[in-house]
Amino acid sequence: EAEVAQSPRYKITEKSQAVAFWCDPISGHATLYWYRQILGQGPELLVQFQDESVVDDSQLPKDRFSAERLKGVDSTLKIQPAELGDSAMYLCASSSLERELFFGEGSRLTVL
Amino acid sequence: KNQVEQSPQSLIILEGKNCTLQCNYTVSPFSNLRWYKQDTGRGPVSLTIMTFSENTKSNGRYTATLDADTKQSSLHITASQLSDSASYICVVRGATDSWGKLQFGAGTQVVVTP
Repeated sequence: EAEVAQSPRYKITEKSQAVAFWCDPISGHATLYWYRQILGQGPELLVQFQDESVVDDSQLPKDRFSAERLKGVDSTLKIQPAELGDSAMYLCASSSLERELFFGEGSRLTVL
Repeated sequence: KNQVEQSPQSLIILEGKNCTLQCNYTVSPFSNLRWYKQDTGRGPVSLTIMTFSENTKSNGRYTATLDADTKQSSLHITASQLSDSASYICVVRGATDSWGKLQFGAGTQVVVTP
């Protein structure tokens, strides 16, 4: 069964360091999303891509976060520098033609 | 203010018992409502999706209901199993939103005990 791949599953870093997460969506899914989920809360949208274009990054803290999807397939989310408050689960999801939303297993970030 | 409110925040039930989770929303106009199951440390997995014209949708032991007039939905778990222990998240899409602008509830944490 096709699935959204994410790596790493777990990342521990010190504050002020750089961290990067990778996502490979389900083949053929044009829309890719990055969500941040703090423990005990629902996911919050950080950025949405349609193919290689950003269609919504209004909630992305652009002073430290960046996201790209250069060839319209896989995507990278970067944080530089990481802060204590960035500790969270980072979820990637993909969909086709605005139908079913499929989530990856997530990347758990701990900033010390 | 969150446009999707879930209750209770958490609950503990005995294996084999039934339980019902609630979701109230203010998103308008409304397109569809989903329930997701999220195991600890994993990504959410879709259970059901309902449009405004649907009242009930079942997926095995999970049954979701929707009242679009009162903007309320419920998720009923029948004959709970230990594997039902998870967070259940209600997600609402407005009719004018792009797919990405889904409104997520905070989830109900369910713990099933032997």
